[in-house]
Amino acid sequence: QSALTQPASVSGSPGQSITISCTGASSDVGNYNLVSWYQQRPGKAPKLMIYEVSKRPSGVSNRFSGSKSGNTASLTISGLQAEDEADYYCCSYAGSSTLEVFGGGTKLTVL
Amino acid sequence: EVQLVESGGGLVQPGGSLRLSCGASGFTFSTYAMSWVRQAPGKGLQWVSTISGGDDSTYYADSVKGRFSISRDNSKNTLYLQMNSLRAEDAAVYYCAKKGLAVTGQFDCWGQGILVTVSS
Repeated sequence: QSALTQPASVSGSPGQSITISCTGASSDVGNYNLVSWYQQRPGKAPKLMIYEVSKRPSGVSNRFSGSKSGNTASLTISGLQAEDEADYYCCSYAGSSTLEVFGGGTKLTVL
Repeated sequence: EVQLVESGGGLVQPGGSLRLSCGASGFTFSTYAMSWVRQAPGKGLQWVSTISGGDDSTYYADSVKGRFSISRDNSKNTLYLQMNSLRAEDAAVYYCAKKGLAVTGQFDCWGQGILVTVSS
């Protein structure tokens, strides 16, 4: 099972919006509404930010939103803040054999 | 508050074995699927294994199938990962992660991670 494809890096200025894409296949992202997104700050454990494509866990800022079109999922962060600087990973359910596949991760830099 | 605490990591020689443990608290452990996810130094996240909360069905990434074994002891609220025939490429920080009620659920809580080093 191939990893999902994410851009290696994205950047934006405070207050701007950015979008991180996550491209998979019809066997994972395209076939299930089970895409999740994780934020990982340096030296820390990942944190769930979005699940089931567009749902936000309690406590996660509404500046974070998710969507999906075909085989590509997206994470949008609006009103960028310095604290958003981190690595972001997408993950998709990929069926009962492989179960999960992660993206390679995207480093977000807040300029 | 949900807490997951991994233990059992360390240095092991290639071909050796190690057993990781993850102590859970703050939720009804037996009800939820649990997983192991690893991260090699400077690399991304990689799903390793999941065990269901109901019938203890198990699932493995192809890279560890036949070498790793996931299990749980609901009486002790503990998740395990038995790792055999370890290779250099298994070196990573291993995270214990809680999933939803189904194995298809998201990883909604993570432990702090435990380092496994495979080297002679």
